[in-house]
Amino acid sequence: EVHLVESGGGLVKPGGSLRLSCAASGFTFSSYSMNWVRQAPGKGLEWVSSISSSTSYIYYADSVKGRFTISRDTAKNSLYLQLNSLRAEDTAVYYCARDSDTALDYWGQGTLVTVSS
Amino acid sequence: QSALTQPPSASGSPGQSVTISCTGTSSDVGGYNYVSWYQQHPGKAPKLMIYEVSKRPSGVPDRFSGSKSGNTASLTVSGLQAEDEADYYCSSYTGSNSYVLFGDNYVVFGGGTKLTVL
Repeated sequence: EVHLVESGGGLVKPGGSLRLSCAASGFTFSSYSMNWVRQAPGKGLEWVSSISSSTSYIYYADSVKGRFTISRDTAKNSLYLQLNSLRAEDTAVYYCARDSDTALDYWGQGTLVTVSS
Repeated sequence: QSALTQPPSASGSPGQSVTISCTGTSSDVGGYNYVSWYQQHPGKAPKLMIYEVSKRPSGVPDRFSGSKSGNTASLTVSGLQAEDEADYYCSSYTGSNSYVLFGDNYVVFGGGTKLTVL
């Protein structure tokens, strides 16, 4: 069974940094692209970033480009998102999602990031 | 403002059918058959309901169906049940994994539709 578990969220001050992790199990992690999607409180889904299985292709939403960095560690079956220069508008639940190349077919339960002074 | 346009709300009585639209452009919905739909109950993670416009993942009831015409995709829920009450989001890829046509926005979502079962 596919299982994705995010961690690393918390309260951080504006301008601060945070590193999110997503532990994957139940599938061959190295064969799939992975994504981060976020959802601000009471708002809709917003795609954040994607990384291909080989890490050859990495994409970011305009809203986070230059501030967030996606990475993965195949040996640890883990996906990461480094969040720098955080702003109040980055407050959201961050989900990791497996990419089947045509849809985001499995999602984790999410981790909450709150940016506030 | 979301890249894809959905009505903010939809409703129907148990047993009825309801259709939710999702309008994009030729750069996303109209350009690729990579439209997907997600169901999200309050406080829960999104769940994939439809992929590649009209395909259902294993375990999704056949009451859920999808279609596309031009730049507009649609999700139809037939035989509405109480448990169908949730938020629904459409999504589209804007290119293949190795090539994104416009900028870096690989995946775009609609703003979401709150489905109420009356």
